[in-house]
Amino acid sequence: DVKVTQSSRYLVKRTGEKVFLECVQDMDHENMFWYRQDPGLGLRLIYFSYDVKMKEKGDIPEGYSVSREKKERFSLILESASTNQTSMYLCASSSQGGTRNEKLFFGSGTQLSVL
Amino acid sequence: SQQGEEDPQALSIQEGENATMNCSYKTSINNLQWYRQNSGRGLVHLILIRSNEREKHSGRLRVTLDTSKKSSSLLITASRAADTASYFCATDGSTDKLIFGTGTRLQVFP
Repeated sequence: DVKVTQSSRYLVKRTGEKVFLECVQDMDHENMFWYRQDPGLGLRLIYFSYDVKMKEKGDIPEGYSVSREKKERFSLILESASTNQTSMYLCASSSQGGTRNEKLFFGSGTQLSVL
Repeated sequence: SQQGEEDPQALSIQEGENATMNCSYKTSINNLQWYRQNSGRGLVHLILIRSNEREKHSGRLRVTLDTSKKSSSLLITASRAADTASYFCATDGSTDKLIFGTGTRLQVFP
């Protein structure tokens, strides 16, 4: 089975801190995604990547950046955490090509609280 | 902007009953997917239906798609307490991104 692993289940940070959320997948997937999930708003796409060193902005990239130095790892970076970035962050991956938006595999999520 | 909207927002039923939730979307699609999320966890892919399909089955799940009405329904038959979760539809829409709805929270009482 595909496994998508997010480094932390719960994280508490201070306003202004630089925050790294790590995601690793073990199925050699080309495509990786970062979403945030907030009550009443569903899942919103922050950034995605279709290849190593490649990144594309999603719907809400402001305040975030990403890094994909290796195929299996996709990191989300909050340059200067703010309280409105308190949320559940979900990483996902999928296989290549024309099926890139089909059957996403999700990690368990990281609940980030910014105080 | 939201592509998919689920209805109802919440649903409570007894074990053994069927659960039906609906998804409406705005633009043409290539496929529509349903995902399940247990409380505080990641999403799990349930089923994908393509735009040229009208109905699809997987175990106790039945999905229908009506492209003329831009809507889909997910039916869970003979519900179990373990089916308690949130259910999301997701569509690819007119962009190269997958857009998720806000979900239906299903509670199945023993």
